[in-house]
Amino acid sequence: KQEVTQIPAALSVPEGENLVLNCSFTDSAIYNLQWFRQDPGKGLTSLLLIQSSQREQTSGRLNASLDKSSGRSTLYIAASQPGDSATYLCAVRPETDFGNEKLTFGTGTRLTIIP
Amino acid sequence: DAGVTQSPTHLIKTRGQQVTLRCSPKSGHDTVSWYQQALGQGPQFIFQYYEEEERQRGNFPDRFSGHQFPNYSSELNVNALLLGDSALYLCASSSYSRTSGSSYEQYFGPGTRLTVT
Repeated sequence: KQEVTQIPAALSVPEGENLVLNCSFTDSAIYNLQWFRQDPGKGLTSLLLIQSSQREQTSGRLNASLDKSSGRSTLYIAASQPGDSATYLCAVRPETDFGNEKLTFGTGTRLTIIP
Repeated sequence: DAGVTQSPTHLIKTRGQQVTLRCSPKSGHDTVSWYQQALGQGPQFIFQYYEEEERQRGNFPDRFSGHQFPNYSSELNVNALLLGDSALYLCASSSYSRTSGSSYEQYFGPGTRLTVT
């Protein structure tokens, strides 16, 4: 059974700092890994999706890396801003078998950027 | 282009009642998945619908059932509500590829907040 862990559960940093969020998963047989952002009481916004054959993806100030063999991914946020405050979730999708496409999520890291 | 929409936004029900939540997928998508997110937790997969049939199911009791309509929209029904069913219910849609035999990236809706008292 796939298990996804995110450490730390909460993180507070001053505005302008660079930061790293961690995600680990127990079963390396994944199809892809996705990072989401969730604002309080809201739905999920996809930030980055990394296919299992890729090592990293970048979008603006965000960079996500994937080490499939060790079961780890990191989300790097450069020059943090107060608007980055949110909960960040990672999710893995299993290697594709027809009908087996459920995402397994971690519990998230609640990020607070202090102005 | 409208994304995934869900209704209602919020809902309050009493223990033992039944509830129906609705989801309209993103334009061009034919697959709908439902997730339950308890407070402070990550979303948990409930089930996925494709071609009006349940294709995959998570570890949820039979009180949770669903339906997909010919226009690809979907409903989630929960019977005999328990206090523990209070959560944010998220719908995600994707597009199935017959070539690869799998669906592309899932897009999530804003969710329905269900409170059971």
